[in-house]
Amino acid sequence: GAVVSQHPSRVICKSGTSVKIECRSLDFQATTMFWYRQFPKQSLMLMATSNEGSKATYEQGVEKDKFLINHASLTLSTLTVTSAHPEDSSFYICSAAIRRETQYFGPGTRLLVL
Amino acid sequence: KQEVTQIPAALSVPEGENLVLNCSFTDSAIYNLQWFRQDPGKGLTSLLLIQSSQREQTSGRLNASLDKSSGRSTLYIAASQPGDSATYLCAVDHENNRKLIWGLGTSLAVNP
Repeated sequence: GAVVSQHPSRVICKSGTSVKIECRSLDFQATTMFWYRQFPKQSLMLMATSNEGSKATYEQGVEKDKFLINHASLTLSTLTVTSAHPEDSSFYICSAAIRRETQYFGPGTRLLVL
Repeated sequence: KQEVTQIPAALSVPEGENLVLNCSFTDSAIYNLQWFRQDPGKGLTSLLLIQSSQREQTSGRLNASLDKSSGRSTLYIAASQPGDSATYLCAVDHENNRKLIWGLGTSLAVNP
């Protein structure tokens, strides 16, 4: 089946630093990748949708200058949390899709900002 | 605005029981509905996807039904096992913008 990886799986950083999270589709080419955020006891929230070679589409309330998304190839998308603060601590999950009907999810990245 | 609700929030059952998880959504204009499993601190595993034109889907001990007009879906798990313990999430792909709207999930514990 389609496999999506994320790296790192867990990261702890100091407030004010930037953190990059990678999302890779290992055995298929994903034209669309999605980034989600999940706070404790809350549902997953879509942050942005990115298509290869074009700018990401951000959901309302998500700051595009803070959460930089680069979909450089059909197998790689990166999310950079710039100038991270404790309130950015969350579980970040990416998914990749060949067609919009099926999203394959990565294992997630747990970010803790001290 | 599409909202997805899952009931119950948590469920604890002895091994071997058949059980039903519920998902309801407020806007019937959906493209499809999916059930996922999430293990603690981990990503999501897709269990079943039901297109808006379908009534149910089955995979092994899992059966998901969809009643689009009433805004409801159920996930039926037969002969539950301890390995089924996880959080089960329901998500609808909203027809207009084709993005997933998620419920909060049902946390299931199957006790040996």
